[in-house]
Amino acid sequence: KQEVTQIPAALSVPEGENLVLNCSFTDSAIYNLQWFRQDPGKGLTSLLLIQSSQREQTSGRLNASLDKSSGRSTLYIAASQPGDSATYLCAVTGTASKLTFGTGTRLQVTL
Amino acid sequence: EAQVTQNPRYLITVTGKKLTVTCSQNMNHEYMSWYRQDPGLGLRQIYYSMNVEVTDKGDVPEGYKVSRKEKRNFPLILESPSPNQTSLYFCASSSAFRQSLNQPQHFGDGTRLSIL
Repeated sequence: KQEVTQIPAALSVPEGENLVLNCSFTDSAIYNLQWFRQDPGKGLTSLLLIQSSQREQTSGRLNASLDKSSGRSTLYIAASQPGDSATYLCAVTGTASKLTFGTGTRLQVTL
Repeated sequence: EAQVTQNPRYLITVTGKKLTVTCSQNMNHEYMSWYRQDPGLGLRQIYYSMNVEVTDKGDVPEGYKVSRKEKRNFPLILESPSPNQTSLYFCASSSAFRQSLNQPQHFGDGTRLSIL
């Protein structure tokens, strides 16, 4: 059974810092890995999707890497801003399009 | 605007009173799914549907029913709700199975259910 773990569970950084969120998964037989953002009272917004054959994806200040063989992914956020404060979720896609989620990292970027 | 719409957004009800949470998408997606989110447990899949009239159980289907009579709608039915079904529920959709493997799933804004 696929299990996804995210470390740390919570993180507080001052504005302007670069930061890394970590995600690990137990079964490397995945189709893709996605990073989502969740704001309080809101749904999930897809940030980046990395196909199983890819090593990384970039969108603006976000960069996600995937090492499928070791079951790891990182989300790098450059020059953090208070608006980046949210919970970040990592999820892997297995058979039948099923997403298995980690429990998230709650990020707070302070002024 | 492409979206997944859930209703209601919030509901407080009592044990045993049947309820339905609706989910509708306007993207002509074949695949739809329901998840529940609980503290410390993350999001877990309840049911999913590959297409009209095709549904299957996820990881935590007990106490729930679904139907897929039309492509755009995928309601979640709680026939006899119990307090352990108090949770935040999300509906998601994506395009056809093979395509969806490399396309993100779209999520609704969530439905917070409280069963007293």
